[in-house]
Amino acid sequence: KNQVEQSPQSLIILEGKNCTLQCNYTVSPFSNLRWYKQDTGRGPVSLTIMTFSENTKSNGRYTATLDADTKQSSLHITASQLSDSASYICVVSGRAAGNKLTFGGGTRVLVKP
Amino acid sequence: GAGVSQSPSNKVTEKGKDVELRCDPISGHTALYWYRQSLGQGLEFLIYFQGNSAPDKSGLPSDRFSAERTGGSVSTLTIQRTQQEDSAVYLCASSLYTGAITDTQYFGPGTRLTVL
Repeated sequence: KNQVEQSPQSLIILEGKNCTLQCNYTVSPFSNLRWYKQDTGRGPVSLTIMTFSENTKSNGRYTATLDADTKQSSLHITASQLSDSASYICVVSGRAAGNKLTFGGGTRVLVKP
Repeated sequence: GAGVSQSPSNKVTEKGKDVELRCDPISGHTALYWYRQSLGQGLEFLIYFQGNSAPDKSGLPSDRFSAERTGGSVSTLTIQRTQQEDSAVYLCASSLYTGAITDTQYFGPGTRLTVL
């Protein structure tokens, strides 16, 4: 069964600090991996998309890494801001029809002043 | 430009009633997806529409759930005889489905369904 597991489940950090979120997956055959940010009460918004051949992708203060051999990804947030408080969801797409996505349970990040 | 919109934003209903949730995808997007997000849970795929192809209903949890997409645009998700376990946020997403493996899904704000 295709699965995506994220850790930690939740995280509290001080404003200005860095943090790293982890994602492990078993989806196979692999197509791509995305990180989404979901603010409370809103739909997810795409941060990064990486294919098999990419091992790092940045979007502002967000940097995602991918190791397709070990089936692991991380999302690093640099110099966190209060607006970074949200759930971060790792989403993996397999090479199957329909572009269906397998979602991780998310990591809730709370940035405190 | 307008994003994916969903209505209503909140719906409270009594157990056993039917509900209809609406999704307006981004204009020109041929692919439309419905997901469910229960409290404290991850997103769960429900159903997928792509152009004129038969929808992929493999994620629907029971035959009380159905969805239509009229004219290749607006979609409605219908839940019949609602149960308390149906309470969740129902999210709709659409994409261009260019065939590229990095095709991006754009999500609506969701409909929060509460079944009393």
